[in-house]
Amino acid sequence: EDQVTQSPEALRLQEGESSSLNCSYTVSGLRGLFWYRQDPGKGPEFLFTLYSAGEEKEKERLKATLTKKESFLHITAPKPEDSATYLCAALAGGSYIPTFGRGTSLIVHP
Amino acid sequence: NAGVTQTPKFQVLKTGQSMTLQCAQDMNHNSMYWYRQDPGMGLRLIYYSASEGTTDKGEVPNGYNVSRLNKREFSLRLESAAPSQTSVYFCASTLVGGRTDTQYFGPGTRLTVL
Repeated sequence: EDQVTQSPEALRLQEGESSSLNCSYTVSGLRGLFWYRQDPGKGPEFLFTLYSAGEEKEKERLKATLTKKESFLHITAPKPEDSATYLCAALAGGSYIPTFGRGTSLIVHP
Repeated sequence: NAGVTQTPKFQVLKTGQSMTLQCAQDMNHNSMYWYRQDPGMGLRLIYYSASEGTTDKGEVPNGYNVSRLNKREFSLRLESAAPSQTSVYFCASTLVGGRTDTQYFGPGTRLTVL
């Protein structure tokens, strides 16, 4: 059975305090690993897709990396506006349906 | 491009009432999905449509029906609403077989069943 586990469940940071969110996955023949940001009361917003181990993608203060077992979302010098829930999902080869983790709730204090 | 749109944004129903949630996408995607999101449960797939003319059950289909009206539109119907169906409902779409297989989500419908 495909599984995606995100840790920690919740993370509180001070503004400027860099950290990483973890997404561990077990899927058959990974076709894609996705990161989303979700603000309260809104739908998940697409951030990144990673396809193979060693791949990295960056957007502003966020960088996503991928290994054969996990993905990390690194947040460098976060700001309060980075506060949100971050979701990870993995898509197995031959599947139409990604498996989602339960998310990490990030709060950045000014 | 509006992306994925959903109506209504909010709805309050009484137990036993019926309603249809509407979803449309303008990205020429072939696959569409309905999820519900509950605190502590994450996103759970209700139904999906891999392509126009096909629909399949997801993880939590009981109490729901769907219609893939055309390539753009995918509706979710609650025939007899129950308090357990109080949730936030998200529609998503993707181009399966395309470059990224990335799902894009709508803004959600917040449903309360009294």
